[in-house]
Amino acid sequence: ILNVEQSPQSLHVQEGDSTNFTCSFPSSNFYALHWYRWETAKSPEALFVMTLNGDEKKKGRISATLNTKEGYSYLYIKGSQPEDSATYLCALNVRGNNRLAFGKGNQVVVIP
Amino acid sequence: DGGITQSPKYLFRKEGQNVTLSCEQNLNHDAMYWYRQDPGQGLRLIYYSQIVNDFQKGDIAEGYSVSREKKESFPLTVTSAQKNPTAFYLCASTGRVDGYTFGSGTRLTVV
Repeated sequence: ILNVEQSPQSLHVQEGDSTNFTCSFPSSNFYALHWYRWETAKSPEALFVMTLNGDEKKKGRISATLNTKEGYSYLYIKGSQPEDSATYLCALNVRGNNRLAFGKGNQVVVIP
Repeated sequence: DGGITQSPKYLFRKEGQNVTLSCEQNLNHDAMYWYRQDPGQGLRLIYYSQIVNDFQKGDIAEGYSVSREKKESFPLTVTSAQKNPTAFYLCASTGRVDGYTFGSGTRLTVV
């Protein structure tokens, strides 16, 4: 079982502030790193699929970076809005297997 | 619109009964997955299927069974052998280059 760690587990952010959180994973046999956004009572929604070391991806106010050599990815939310409140899931694909190993998620609450 | 449909959304089961959760996709995805979520835990893989008529155990398969007779459908049966079945169950599918597409989940409660 692959160990994917996300920290912090939960955080409260004031509206308008920027925030970031971390996903750590074993770097051996890395293939891809996925980020999902999961709002309560909805399906998890794909944000990013990242494959290359040094990759940076952006979707609106949300962006992510990837370091495959040291085994971590950061997710950033710029100028947080209440609609950003969700759980952000990180998941690892290893080479030769399209199963995903999920972290426990980063639960974000944006306070108006 | 393409997507994954899980039904029912909420399910109550008496102890000792088997129950089947439905998962249907119209995305033409080959691979399908069942995950379980418990409070404070990440998604844990129960079973997965890479192709029709084939499936493999995930990390927590004990007490569960699946079938994959059609590409579109991957039902999960929670058997009476599952010691702690109360949980949230999430189905997903993926094509060759896509990330996962998820259903909206089924919350199973044993009463």
